[in-house]
Amino acid sequence: EVQLVESGGGLVKPGGSLRLSCAASGFTFSNAWMSWVRQTPGKGLEWVGRIKSKTDGGTTDYAAPVKGRFTISRDDSKNTLYLQMNSLKTEDTAVYYCTTFPGGGVFDYWGQGTLVTVSS
Amino acid sequence: AIRMTQSPSSFSASTGDRVTITCRASQGISSYLAWYQQKPGKAPKLLIYAASTLQSGVPSRFSGSGSGTDFTLTISCLQSEDFATYYCQQYYSYPPTFGPGTKVDIK
Repeated sequence: EVQLVESGGGLVKPGGSLRLSCAASGFTFSNAWMSWVRQTPGKGLEWVGRIKSKTDGGTTDYAAPVKGRFTISRDDSKNTLYLQMNSLKTEDTAVYYCTTFPGGGVFDYWGQGTLVTVSS
Repeated sequence: AIRMTQSPSSFSASTGDRVTITCRASQGISSYLAWYQQKPGKAPKLLIYAASTLQSGVPSRFSGSGSGTDFTLTISCLQSEDFATYYCQQYYSYPPTFGPGTKVDIK
């Protein structure tokens, strides 16, 4: 059974940093393209970024609102995906989901989400 | 970015009803369209991809159709567990984008 478990969310001040983790199990993580998607009541579901598998180059791509501030990485030895968020803004407040993202198309498995609140 | 719209934004229905939700893309996306179901406090769940292909384990009362810019999700006989919010998503081009959702609640 595929499981994705996010952690690391919390309250952070504007301008601060936070790192989210996503522990994966039930599939061959090293072969998987992975993504982060966030959800807010106001803006709905928003793709944040993705990382390819190392065999496919391991490259990353980001949505315009987070490019240059957020970094996605992976540790295949630990079956873990990361989202490093810097220079956080109030508009980054959202529930962040880790997802599998085969071939960069659909989001077929999702974690339970972790809430990030950016507020002073 | 391709903009996705959905209609209606919400509606009430009864168990056993046949319901249809519409999704429209701001430009042609061929059949690169997925549908998700989300229940309160839970993550979205993939129902349909490639506009009409059911994800493994999804009941056959769900069906999808369309191509180009106009798509529909149909639930043939609404069950109690189907009351939820439904989102469409295009993956024709980056960034992948979602519709604003359609909430189906109990009449």
